Amino acid sequence: AQSVTQLGSHVSVSEGALVLLRCNYSSSVPPYLFWYVQYPNQGLQLLLKYTTGATLVKGINGFEAEFKKSETSFHLTKPSAHMSDAAEYFCAVGGNNRLAFGKGNQVVVIP
Amino acid sequence: GAGVSQTPSNKVTEKGKYVELRCDPISGHTALYWYRQSLGQGPEFLIYFQGTGAADDSGLPNDRFFAVRPEGSVSTLKIQRTERGDSAVYLCASSLTGTGGDEQFFGPGTRLTVL
Repeated sequence: AQSVTQLGSHVSVSEGALVLLRCNYSSSVPPYLFWYVQYPNQGLQLLLKYTTGATLVKGINGFEAEFKKSETSFHLTKPSAHMSDAAEYFCAVGGNNRLAFGKGNQVVVIP
Repeated sequence: GAGVSQTPSNKVTEKGKYVELRCDPISGHTALYWYRQSLGQGPEFLIYFQGTGAADDSGLPNDRFFAVRPEGSVSTLKIQRTERGDSAVYLCASSLTGTGGDEQFFGPGTRLTVL
């Protein structure tokens, strides 16, 4: 079975500071990895995904993530937080006909 | 273009009643998924359709839950004899082919409240 661990349900970050959300996965096969964002009262939106190839993946809104097989990690970063980044972020591992999601990180941006 | 749509956006029902939740996927997407998201949790897989057939229904919690996709497009999730524990947001997603690396496009969800 595939699974994802996201620690720290609530993350507070100052405007302009680094955003770092951690994701560790478990998968018995080479994983497909995703980060989704959920803004209030909206559906899940894909930020970025890793399938094969380059391990540093760039996504929308200035986010990027690096696949590290040796650490079974796919951490999400953004160099400088904006107020508009306040949302819930979910890491997911794909395969076997489904996505397995972590519990999510609620990001609060402090002005 | 049109994304995934779900109706109703909110549904309030009484314990023991039957409910149907509808999903309209993106046109041309062969794969359709249902997930359930409880408060404070990530979405949990319920069922996957490839075309008209349920290719994987291993996430359905019990036999009160059933889903159909008779013409390979619109899908309906049906819940019989609803229980308070069924209260959650039900999410539908579709993808072009259903392969593991495909992006799944999500609808806004149906918030189900069982009183």
